[in-house]
Amino acid sequence: GNSVTQMEGPVTLSEEAFLTINCTYTATGYPSLFWYVQYPGEGLQLLLKATKADDKGSNKGFEATYRKETTSFHLEKGSVQVSDSAVYFCAINPTGGTSYGKLTFGQGTILTVHP
Amino acid sequence: GAVVSQHPSRVICKSGTSVKIECRSLDFQATTMFWYRQFPKQSLMLMATSNEGSKATYEQGVEKDKFLINHASLTLSTLTVTSAHPEDSSFYICSAGPQGTEAFFGQGTRLTVV
Repeated sequence: GNSVTQMEGPVTLSEEAFLTINCTYTATGYPSLFWYVQYPGEGLQLLLKATKADDKGSNKGFEATYRKETTSFHLEKGSVQVSDSAVYFCAINPTGGTSYGKLTFGQGTILTVHP
Repeated sequence: GAVVSQHPSRVICKSGTSVKIECRSLDFQATTMFWYRQFPKQSLMLMATSNEGSKATYEQGVEKDKFLINHASLTLSTLTVTSAHPEDSSFYICSAGPQGTEAFFGQGTRLTVV
């Protein structure tokens, strides 16, 4: 079946530190890959996405590259800010494409950034 | 982006009672909405696909008589947890989106059954 394994948190960093949150997936075919972010008291928001191998999604300084050979989609940011404190979810759409369809999520990683 | 609104954000109910959670698409029509559930420190798990004007499609292992879904209009889907018990306490979240675009999520509902 389809599954997503995400780096366990919580992750605590100082401002301007480098961030990596690991994500690996299991899926048949060619899934689309997503990172969602949930700020306190809000719904999930799409952070970035990639729909085919070697695609790099990027937004707000965050990046993730679709690595088919390692079935990974690790999230990175070179310099985090306090405002990046949130819960981050890695997700796949096993059917591919960018449509909202049925998503399979990782368990989420809590990120806390201190000044 | 599109807006999906979920209500209530938190609810506490007594064991044996029923609780209704609403999911609304505020600026677009949604023929399909999705309901997810998240246990502490676990993934969001898809519970069911809500289809406007027809029966919901439930994922394997989800009790359809326990979790009633009604999608009576193009902008509203409701999830009713019937005869709730403490093990139903969880975080429930819905999503929808204009066809062919990204998923937009509601704020989620924290249900506590006491």
